[in-house]
Amino acid sequence: DIQMTQSPSSMSASLGDRVTITCQASQDIGNNLIWFQQKPGKSPRPMIYYATNLANGVPSRFSGSRSGSDYSLTISSLESEDMADYHCLQYKQYPLTFGSGTKLEIK
Amino acid sequence: QVQLKESGPGLVQPSQTLSLTCTVSGLSLTSNSVSWIRQPPGKGLEWMGVIWSNGGTDYNSAIKSRLSISRDTSKSQVFLKMNSLQTEDTAMYFCAGRMGFDYWGQGVMVTVSS
Repeated sequence: DIQMTQSPSSMSASLGDRVTITCQASQDIGNNLIWFQQKPGKSPRPMIYYATNLANGVPSRFSGSRSGSDYSLTISSLESEDMADYHCLQYKQYPLTFGSGTKLEIK
Repeated sequence: QVQLKESGPGLVQPSQTLSLTCTVSGLSLTSNSVSWIRQPPGKGLEWMGVIWSNGGTDYNSAIKSRLSISRDTSKSQVFLKMNSLQTEDTAMYFCAGRMGFDYWGQGVMVTVSS
């Protein structure tokens, strides 16, 4: 199975900060990765498809990138509504596997 | 408007079988896949399995021997059955529609306890 190592597991940042969350894939997944945002008590919401493509309705401060086996989600200027858990998912190979999640808190 | 809604028992006894239903509206099961994902309290997400538009299935190898996903297209429902439940199966169970996981149900909390 493909392992997705997500970091950090939690972080705290101030409003307006640039925030980056990373998932490292244990095998080549191409760009077959989705980033999800999950707010407390809610279902996950897809934010970025195919590693770099913004989903409909997602603010442009969110972006996705890839460097080798590392995939990153970046929030260019943190807003209070971005407080949430973030998860990556690889869909290159079955079984699909999620990263362990990142809890993003606002300072 | 696409909607998915999970239903099932909130409490299951250890060693028993869990049966959940995902009722789908606004999305054709013969044209779209539906996955099941679970999330233990305070933990991350785990993909459990998928039923494809052609009725074929794929499962997480870690739970494959205990899991079955099926559907009734006439009722637009997808079913999850998992046997030999243990306390570590306590989780929120979600169904999600389409390959991109575009649509999610609200989830159903299942507690495994005697």
